[in-house]
Amino acid sequence: DAKTTQPPSMDCAEGRAANLPCNHSTISGNEYVYWYRQIHSQGPQYIIHGLKNNETNEMASLIITEDRKSSTLILPHATLRDTAVYYCIVRLPNTGNQFYFGTGTSLTVIP
Amino acid sequence: EAQVTQNPRYLITVTGKKLTVTCSQNMNHEYMSWYRQDPGLGLRQIYYSMNVEVTDKGDVPEGYKVSRKEKRNFPLILESPSPNQTSLYFCASRSGLARPETQYFGPGTRLLVL
Repeated sequence: DAKTTQPPSMDCAEGRAANLPCNHSTISGNEYVYWYRQIHSQGPQYIIHGLKNNETNEMASLIITEDRKSSTLILPHATLRDTAVYYCIVRLPNTGNQFYFGTGTSLTVIP
Repeated sequence: EAQVTQNPRYLITVTGKKLTVTCSQNMNHEYMSWYRQDPGLGLRQIYYSMNVEVTDKGDVPEGYKVSRKEKRNFPLILESPSPNQTSLYFCASRSGLARPETQYFGPGTRLLVL
C-alpha cells in the first residue's frame, strides 16, 4: 500500500471549514483513499473513502486531485466535537487486513 | 446494536503474569484485528484474522498470541507480559465483502504492565 504524509497538527476556528491535506504521491491506480478519525483515545471511526471522484457524505467531503497524488478532507462547519486525530489511509481492496494508520493529523477546533 | 466489545477496559498487571484481552463482535464479520497505540507511533497492527482458524501476523506480533476458534471472538493473549507492552489496545472487525472496507473498532483496553 502507498505511503501517506499528513501534517502532524492543525487548528481550525469553530464554524469554519477544516481542510485536512494528505499526500499520497506513490498511489497506484486501484488504491482507494480512506479517512478515519479518532477522538481522544476512543476507537477510530470511518469517515469517508474515494477512488477518483470527489465524494461527500453526512460527515465530510473528500477532494482527490486529478493525478490522485493528494487529497483533502473537508469538514464544512467544524465543531468542538470534531477535535480529533484524522488518519489518511491508502490501500488496495481485497488485500487482506492490513490498514496502515500512521500518526495522522491532530485537529484542534478552537472556540 | 452493531458493536465490537473488549474486556477488560483497564488492566494493571505485573511482568510475567499471563493475561487475555477478549474481543467480540456481533456483526458476523470475517475479518478481525488487534492494534496497539503508543504515543508518537500511531496505530500498529499486531495480528489479524481473515476467518475462523485463519490468523496472520501484523507489524508488531512479538510477545502476543491470538486465536480464532469462533467467528465472533478474537482474544489477544500475552503469555508473559513485559513493561514494553504497556499500551492502548484496540480490536477491530470488518466484513470481507462490504464496500467500503470499513473497520469497526472496539472501545479500547488500556494495559499497564509493572
